[in-house]
Amino acid sequence: EVQLVESGGGLVQPGRSLRLSCTASGFTFGDYAMSWVRQAPGKGLEWVGFIRSKAYGGTTEYAASVKGRFTISRDDSKSIAYLQMNSLKTEDTAVYYCTREAAAGLDYWGQGTLVTVSS
Amino acid sequence: DIVMTQTPLSSPVTLGQPASISCRSSQSLVHSDGNTYLSWLQQRPGQPPRLLIYKISNRFSGVPDRFSGSGAGTDFTLKISRVEAEDVGVYYCMQATQFPETFGQGTKVEIK
Repeated sequence: EVQLVESGGGLVQPGRSLRLSCTASGFTFGDYAMSWVRQAPGKGLEWVGFIRSKAYGGTTEYAASVKGRFTISRDDSKSIAYLQMNSLKTEDTAVYYCTREAAAGLDYWGQGTLVTVSS
Repeated sequence: DIVMTQTPLSSPVTLGQPASISCRSSQSLVHSDGNTYLSWLQQRPGQPPRLLIYKISNRFSGVPDRFSGSGAGTDFTLKISRVEAEDVGVYYCMQATQFPETFGQGTKVEIK
């Protein structure tokens, strides 16, 4: 069974950093691209960014709203994807979801982790 | 960026009756590889999103056959043939043809 479990969320002050982790199981993690999607309270879904599998260079893409502040990485030996968030703003407050990106789209989602940016 | 526009934003439906949601993209979603990366996701209250339909019309594993997707180019539709109580939630279309991947605003399906 495919499982994605996010961790690392919490309350953080504006301007500070936070790192989220997404621990995967039930599939060969290294074979898949992974994405992060966020959802502000009461709002819709916003794509944050994406990391390709190593077979496709392991390169990344980001939404304009986070580019230069957020970094996605992966450790295939541990089946973990990371979202490093720097220079956090109040508008980054959201539930952050880790998703597997396959030919079928964003086919599996974690339960999400809440990040609250507030002084 | 490709803008995804859904209509309606709210859809009160009687149990057992059909429901339909439209999604229009600001440009063609046909990828250079010939595929159209248009998906539909369902988000039940308090739950993470769940993939229903991918590449316009393919039902994901475990998705009931009352859900169907259609369309081409810039116009797409999700249909629920007979709405059940468990179908209550918000439905999103999403494109992955071009970065950044983008979502529609969401359509709330509720029971009348």
